[in-house]
Amino acid sequence: GENVEQHPSTLSVQEGDSAVIKCTYSDSASNYFPWYKQELGKRPQLIIDIRSNVGEKKDQRIAVTLNKTAKHFSLHITETQPEDSAVYFCAASSASNTGKLIFGQGTTLQVKP
Amino acid sequence: DAGVTQSPTHLIKTRGQHVTLRCSPISGHKSVSWYQQVLGQGPQFIFQYYEKEERGRGNFPDRFSARQFPNYSSELNVNALLLGDSALYLCASGKQGLDTQYFGPGTRLTVL
Repeated sequence: GENVEQHPSTLSVQEGDSAVIKCTYSDSASNYFPWYKQELGKRPQLIIDIRSNVGEKKDQRIAVTLNKTAKHFSLHITETQPEDSAVYFCAASSASNTGKLIFGQGTTLQVKP
Repeated sequence: DAGVTQSPTHLIKTRGQHVTLRCSPISGHKSVSWYQQVLGQGPQFIFQYYEKEERGRGNFPDRFSARQFPNYSSELNVNALLLGDSALYLCASGKQGLDTQYFGPGTRLTVL
């Protein structure tokens, strides 16, 4: 079935270091991969997304890479700041054209000052 | 994403009752998706509606139903509530819904 695996489940870094979160998806027909940041008690906020015709996308301190052959994609945050602390979710679009996003289990990122 | 609104913010119900949750998408968006997020997990897809028709349905029982109105707002209905229905219910808005989706603040449902 459709599945997205996300690792690690928790990640602790020092302020200024980089953080990397990795996801693997099961359906090779998935073609859209968003990343969401969710602070405690708040809505998931779209921070970056990538489509399957692109291998890498960058937005200031955040970048996402996609390897379609291996069916995995990663989120890279550079120069982390305490306000980056949150739960991050990766997702993959369903190949069924239903608008369904399949989410990973989430990564709790803690940035220590 | 600031434009997606949901009501109510919180809701407490007892087992067996019925609940209706409401969502208004960003102006100009025609798709609304509903997700259930249990504490500590990623959102799980329930439904998507596009142009007032159901486009997709997730693996949820028939107790869950939804509809979309001519102004593109949407309602999620859950009948015969179970304790396990306690969760954050998120609505997501999209122009066409097959890719970029923006979430609302959610409705926190507690079933006692």
